Amino acid sequence: QSALTQPASVSGSPGQSITISCTGTSSDVGNYNLVSWYQQHPGKAPKLMIYEGSKRPSGVSNRFSGSKSGNTASLTVSGLQAEDEADYYCCSYAGSTTWVFGGGTKLTVL
Amino acid sequence: QLQLQESGPGLVKPSETLSLTCTVSGGSISSSSYYWGWIRQPPGKGLEWIGVIYYSGGTYYNPSLKSRVTISVDTSKNQFSLKLSSVTAADTAVYYCARDDTTMVSFDHWGQGTLVTVSS
Repeated sequence: QSALTQPASVSGSPGQSITISCTGTSSDVGNYNLVSWYQQHPGKAPKLMIYEGSKRPSGVSNRFSGSKSGNTASLTVSGLQAEDEADYYCCSYAGSTTWVFGGGTKLTVL
Repeated sequence: QLQLQESGPGLVKPSETLSLTCTVSGGSISSSSYYWGWIRQPPGKGLEWIGVIYYSGGTYYNPSLKSRVTISVDTSKNQFSLKLSSVTAADTAVYYCARDDTTMVSFDHWGQGTLVTVSS
């Protein structure tokens, strides 16, 4: 069970859109449509932003969207705002009631 | 409003056992709709899934930690616990407890986290 691969950092200007990728294998991301995404501000607990690949929990802005193609899932943040600056983690179900996280991506709003 | 709160020693000596408890309030740990889990984050690093438990006691662990991890549940106290044996400095991390909603297959509620340092 290896960690999912995410870029270490991405950046964008206010109002722009960014996409964070999350690459796994055919045993996790590619085999299940069960990727979730978490936002973590410094010193805070992670917050669920996307589940089942593309669904948003109640209260999460529709500026956040998720998708998947093959073994790679993606999180898109549109209309970037200063408050979006945070670390983002993907997580995939990996079968047999196990999960695997990505290494995390630092989003900087320029 | 569901709340999870981790508690336990903040300092553990190498080779000893790390023990943490998560107290759940605002909801029942005995619901069939959820797993209850532990996730950790070494300082400055990413998240690592440790394991989950079902209210009936069924457990599932990260294969890389399985030999050292035990998660248990006490439904009478609405708590679940983590034990990690033979700790080293590499186990120094913020430990989070979280709820896994089985319909969403994701961790929708988290505790604030507690830092555990392994040092003599």
